[in-house]
Amino acid sequence: RKEVEQDPGPFNVPEGATVAFNCTYSNSASQSFFWYRQDCRKEPKLLMSVYSSGNEDGRFTAQLNRASQYISLLIRDSKLSDSATYLCVVISYSGAGSYQLTFGKGTKLSVIP
Amino acid sequence: DGGITQSPKYLFRKEGQNVTLSCEQNLNHDAMYWYRQDPGQGLRLIYYSQIVNDFQKGDIAEGYSVSREKKESFPLTVTSAQKNPTAFYLCASSASPHRARTYSNQPQHFGDGTRLSIL
Repeated sequence: RKEVEQDPGPFNVPEGATVAFNCTYSNSASQSFFWYRQDCRKEPKLLMSVYSSGNEDGRFTAQLNRASQYISLLIRDSKLSDSATYLCVVISYSGAGSYQLTFGKGTKLSVIP
Repeated sequence: DGGITQSPKYLFRKEGQNVTLSCEQNLNHDAMYWYRQDPGQGLRLIYYSQIVNDFQKGDIAEGYSVSREKKESFPLTVTSAQKNPTAFYLCASSASPHRARTYSNQPQHFGDGTRLSIL
């Protein structure tokens, strides 16, 4: 099983739709989780952290399910500007003061007019 | 404004040539990272440094070298040994997990990347 897995998509959704992505991780000791957004030919930008209790930022909701080892990102009322690739990031403590950060390969979202 | 700056934005390498990509940050971050991204692919870690004068190999370090003489700077050299250097190179930094109170919650912040191509 890969360390961090995402459905590559593409997810093609109409404007105004609600869409959700999952990201599964294999290391049960993983500690920190994030969602990044990457536009075509640009750098990844931090979208939001993922907290154990779940968190919301406007139209975006992130959730963590430790039992099933996945995080999710829900986008409500999709806008054309939401079209991008969404990367999940998992940070795990690997001992001796070191942390391992693993990126998923991303899920591509296209919001269609 | 604090941030992380990469230069140049575009770089061309001749066969057999070494080239160096610059990465500077003024965020006072201890940790810095270099990634490579190929078209349609995820990010792969080349090298990382958690503190000045120390760095570690990532998953694909062969053909690359780095230095960390200053906290603010983490240049990456793509050597002639790297036979397939064409890619999008991303530098990132993060607060050190050792220093922060919430050590487990330190996201990385990225520069806007360097596109390297072979001439």
